[in-house]
Amino acid sequence: SYDLTQPPSVSVSPGQTANIVCSGDKLGIKFTSWYQQRPGQSPVVVIYQNTKRPSDIPERFSGSKSGNTATLTITGTQAVDEADYYCQTWDDTNWVFGGGTRLTVL
Amino acid sequence: EVQLVQSGAEVKKPGESLKISCEDSGHTFSNYWIGWVRQRPGKGLEWMGSIYPDDSETRYSPSFQGQVTISFDKSISTAYLQWSSLKASDTAIYYCARLSGCRGVACYSSWFDSWGLGTLVTVAS
Repeated sequence: SYDLTQPPSVSVSPGQTANIVCSGDKLGIKFTSWYQQRPGQSPVVVIYQNTKRPSDIPERFSGSKSGNTATLTITGTQAVDEADYYCQTWDDTNWVFGGGTRLTVL
Repeated sequence: EVQLVQSGAEVKKPGESLKISCEDSGHTFSNYWIGWVRQRPGKGLEWMGSIYPDDSETRYSPSFQGQVTISFDKSISTAYLQWSSLKASDTAIYYCARLSGCRGVACYSSWFDSWGLGTLVTVAS
C-alpha cells in the first residue's frame, strides 16, 4: 500500500511562516491536496492539484513540491490557522491520506 | 451549491448491522465520484472507498474491502455506507465527500472538494 508521511506536529509563532511537509514514493509525479480540519469540524480543502487554492481560502495558504516532498506553507500564520492538516494523493486506484500534522500557533 | 447531508448519529451493539447515508441535496453528484472517509477518535483520516453514481463503479481501500459495502440510489441521489456486523473498532466519525478532478476512472488529479458534517457511529455493548 502507498504511504504519505507527515510530521505529527509543527509549532509556529503568530505572524511567522509555517511549513508542513508530506513525503511519499514518487510523490513528485503525483498530484497532492491539503486539508485543514479544525477541532469538531469537517475537513476543508485548502490546496488542490499541488498549488491551486480554492477561492474562499486566504492567500496566506500556498502549496509547493520539491522532489518527492510536498509542502503546505502558511505565511503570516494566524491563531485561527491552528488545526490539523492532512495531505492526500491518488495512487493507482486508491485515494491516500497522510497521517496528519497538528499545527500549534503559540 | 454543494450540500452533502449525512444521517444522524447511531449507537449500536457489536454484531448489529447499520446503513448510513449521504444525500446530495444540491443534486451535484452526477459525473463526480463520492468517497467515504473514516476518522476514529483522536486519529487521522482514512479513505474507505468511493463510488461513481453514474454507473455505480465502486473502489475500496484494501483495508476496508469486505468489511463495508458502498452503494448509491440514483432516484434519491443518496450514497450509502453499510456494515453487516459491527465491531467496537468501527466506532468513529464517517464522512462522505465529493471528489473533483476525475476524468472518468482516471482520478490522478482529484481532490475532495466538499464534505458532509459526518456521522458519529458508536459501537458498544
